[in-house]
Amino acid sequence: DAGITQSPRHKVTETGTPVTLRCHQTENHRYMYWYRQDPGHGLRLIHYSYGVKDTDKGEVSDGYSVSRSKTEDFLLTLESATSSQTSVYFCAITTPGQNNEQFFGPGTRLTVL
Amino acid sequence: DAKTTQPPSMDCAEGRAANLPCNHSTISGNEYVYWYRQIHSQGPQYIIHGLKNNETNEMASLIITEDRKSSTLILPHATLRDTAVYYCIVRVAEETSGSRLTFGEGTQLTVNP
Repeated sequence: DAGITQSPRHKVTETGTPVTLRCHQTENHRYMYWYRQDPGHGLRLIHYSYGVKDTDKGEVSDGYSVSRSKTEDFLLTLESATSSQTSVYFCAITTPGQNNEQFFGPGTRLTVL
Repeated sequence: DAKTTQPPSMDCAEGRAANLPCNHSTISGNEYVYWYRQIHSQGPQYIIHGLKNNETNEMASLIITEDRKSSTLILPHATLRDTAVYYCIVRVAEETSGSRLTFGEGTQLTVNP
């Protein structure tokens, strides 16, 4: 599992409240990613990071912000959650080397009422 | 990244080979074909990737046509645990910004006993 954990694993919140999801990795990987997945659809990239304090937007970044103050943690924040942000959120890291494959965390199921 | 087209669903009998097709007619010369799968509610899992030669690993084989406009993922002896959504993704493997993945809808493979 490349040492990736996500917290919380499940969360129910109300519209308008701030929410922060945490992705933690133990193997010092440089690249980290946040995706969201809605029912019946593939994953869509929200934001990604290519180093401490280095982040960039993905295809669905509106309403989300990220921070990476240390290598092991990549935080995703919904400043004011909306019902359209109800989704499953996956964190991923890239392993260096020939395959350049991504390893994904177990996911966080977020429900915004 | 080039767009891919996959059938939405396929069925396969347990013990038989599962052949999952993918069209990527706009693929560029420096783009690789990657396959991931997602077992229900889990994060996607890397399977295999290739550029133009056929590839095989312990999980599957990847056959890429000579013109590189399509490919087939082969699971030689499908088991019930291979029931999952399979994603075919085309991307440049050596991006300096990391290996962002663009997921389509994938193919839901159901292996029947």
